[in-house]
Amino acid sequence: AQSVTQPDIHITVSEGASLELRCNYSYGATPYLFWYVQSPGQGLQLLLKYFSGDTLVQGIKGFEAEFKRSQSSFNLRKPSVHWSDAAEYFCAVALSGYSTLTFGKGTMLLVSP
Amino acid sequence: EAQVTQNPRYLITVTGKKLTVTCSQNMNHEYMSWYRQDPGLGLRQIYYSMNVEVTDKGDVPEGYKVSRKEKRNFPLILESPSPNQTSLYFCASSSRTGQRRDTQYFGPGTRLTVL
Repeated sequence: AQSVTQPDIHITVSEGASLELRCNYSYGATPYLFWYVQSPGQGLQLLLKYFSGDTLVQGIKGFEAEFKRSQSSFNLRKPSVHWSDAAEYFCAVALSGYSTLTFGKGTMLLVSP
Repeated sequence: EAQVTQNPRYLITVTGKKLTVTCSQNMNHEYMSWYRQDPGLGLRQIYYSMNVEVTDKGDVPEGYKVSRKEKRNFPLILESPSPNQTSLYFCASSSRTGQRRDTQYFGPGTRLTVL
């Protein structure tokens, strides 16, 4: 069965610094890959997704992610973090966009002044 | 506005008292799903539906029921809630066709507490 690992439970980044959130998956084929963000008390918002093609994917709010097949990774990056980026971030994989999403356990991002 | 709505947003109930959490989407999506979110466990799928009258179990279906009589609605039913079903519940929907296919859109969540 597929699995998703987000090795960092919490990450603290200074405002203006760069960010990288790690995501590794275990899957027999190239899955559909997603990053979602959950702000406190809110639902999940899709940041970006990868299905095929260019392995560097641009998303909303200045985020990007790179799919690396050799490392089974789909890390999320942002060059300059804003205080409003403080939230919990979830990586997810699926057979297709409308099949079961398997989520990682999430990474809580804290932004310090 | 395209959205997934859930009601109620917050619910406190007692063990054994049947309850229903409603989910509705206005995007004509074929696929709908329920997840629960628990601290340290991420989100886990409870049930999903590929279309009207077609439902199937996810990873954690025990203690839950669903129905899909209409395309837009996908209620989650707890016949006899127990404290271990205290959780944050999310409904999601996705299209299988069109430009917006392959992305699941989530509702705002329902926080359930079972005493």
